[in-house]
Amino acid sequence: QSALTQPPSASGSPGQSVTISCTGTSSDVGGSDHVSWYQQHPGKAPKLMIYDVFKRPSGVPYRFSGSKSGNTASLTVSGLQAEDEADYYCSSYAGINNHVIFGGGTSLTVL
Amino acid sequence: QVQLRESGPGLVKPSQTLSLTCTVSGGSISSDDYYWGWIRQSPGKGLEWIGYGYYGANTYYNPSLSSRVTLSMDTSKNQFSLTLTSVTAADTAVFYCVTKPNRIQYFDNWGQGTLVTVSS
Repeated sequence: QSALTQPPSASGSPGQSVTISCTGTSSDVGGSDHVSWYQQHPGKAPKLMIYDVFKRPSGVPYRFSGSKSGNTASLTVSGLQAEDEADYYCSSYAGINNHVIFGGGTSLTVL
Repeated sequence: QVQLRESGPGLVKPSQTLSLTCTVSGGSISSDDYYWGWIRQSPGKGLEWIGYGYYGANTYYNPSLSSRVTLSMDTSKNQFSLTLTSVTAADTAVFYCVTKPNRIQYFDNWGQGTLVTVSS
């Protein structure tokens, strides 16, 4: 299993929108409804932001949204705020053996 | 709300065995609510799923680590553990214990993480 492909970095100004992509294969992202996104601030544990492609856990701002097209999932952060500056990781359920794979992570900078 | 706390040695010698324990509060590892698992993060790198298990049922491992990894549970102490054999410097990482709700595919509770360095 190879890691999912994410851009190493992304950036945007406060108030703008940024989209982070996560590309896999038909064996994981493309074939799964179980794509999730995690936010990680420096020195902290990751936090679940999106699950099942587009669902938001309680307490996650509406500014965070998820989608998927083919083998690529996307996380969009609208109305960027300073506290959104963090690393973001995608994850996908991968096949019939309950395996999980992660993306390499994207460092989001709020300019 | 389930809370998790990792514990174990911060330094392990190459070729030896890494052992970590996760202490659970706010939930029981023998319940059918959660899978209990581990994820690691090498310094400056991304997340890597190690494996997870469900009390009294199957345990699932990352194929790249399956030959060296064992997850186990101690219901008397409400703890679960990770054992990784034949470690090398490449196994240096922050190890997180996590929960995955049963029948749901995400990790919702994370421990604070513990750094394990493999070095002689």
